Amino acid sequence: AQSVTQPDIHITVSEGASLELRCNYSYGATPYLFWYVQSPGQGLQLLLKYFSGDTLVQGIKGFEAEFKRSQSSFNLRKPSVHWSDAAEYFCAVGFNDYKLSFGAGTTVTVRA
Amino acid sequence: EAGVTQSPTHLIKTRGQQATLRCSPISGHTSVYWYQQALGLGLQFLLWYDEGEERNRGNFPPRFSGRQFPNYSSELNVNALELEDSALYLCASSNFGQEPSTDTQYFGPGTRLTVL
Repeated sequence: AQSVTQPDIHITVSEGASLELRCNYSYGATPYLFWYVQSPGQGLQLLLKYFSGDTLVQGIKGFEAEFKRSQSSFNLRKPSVHWSDAAEYFCAVGFNDYKLSFGAGTTVTVRA
Repeated sequence: EAGVTQSPTHLIKTRGQQATLRCSPISGHTSVYWYQQALGLGLQFLLWYDEGEERNRGNFPPRFSGRQFPNYSSELNVNALELEDSALYLCASSNFGQEPSTDTQYFGPGTRLTVL
């Protein structure tokens, strides 16, 4: 069955430390991959997307993600976290049906 | 450039009533998508409209319906409300092209529907 998995429900990280959020997918072919962020009470903001080409993708707010076909993964990283990065992060996949399927989300808490 | 807008911000209804949620896409976008974000169920695809037509539908009962107007804005209607319909309803828009690779969805702030 097709699925998107974010293994970590909650991650706590110190301000200034690095952050990595995991995302794995299970599809018959390589889907289109996205990372969105949601602050409390807000909608989703697109951080970055991967369609094809270079497997390391740069996004907004200093985030990057790496697509690894062999591992069916699309992990999100940030070298140095700021307090404003505290939010919920969603990995999403799209395919030829134009709808997005989302992972369950990872909540990031940033401690001072 | 204005983003996706949704109204109302909050909506409180009682069981059995009908709810109407509205969405205005980014200028130039022809596609509108609706998603439900319910507690414990995550984000689930509801409906996709493009050029006034329903193009795809998620696994929701027929009491969830909608339409898209000539100006590309959209309306989501939920009839015979049930308690489990309480959720954040998110609208997204995209500049739909011929290839899926050109389709990136941008989300609005959502409408919080509470069913009592």
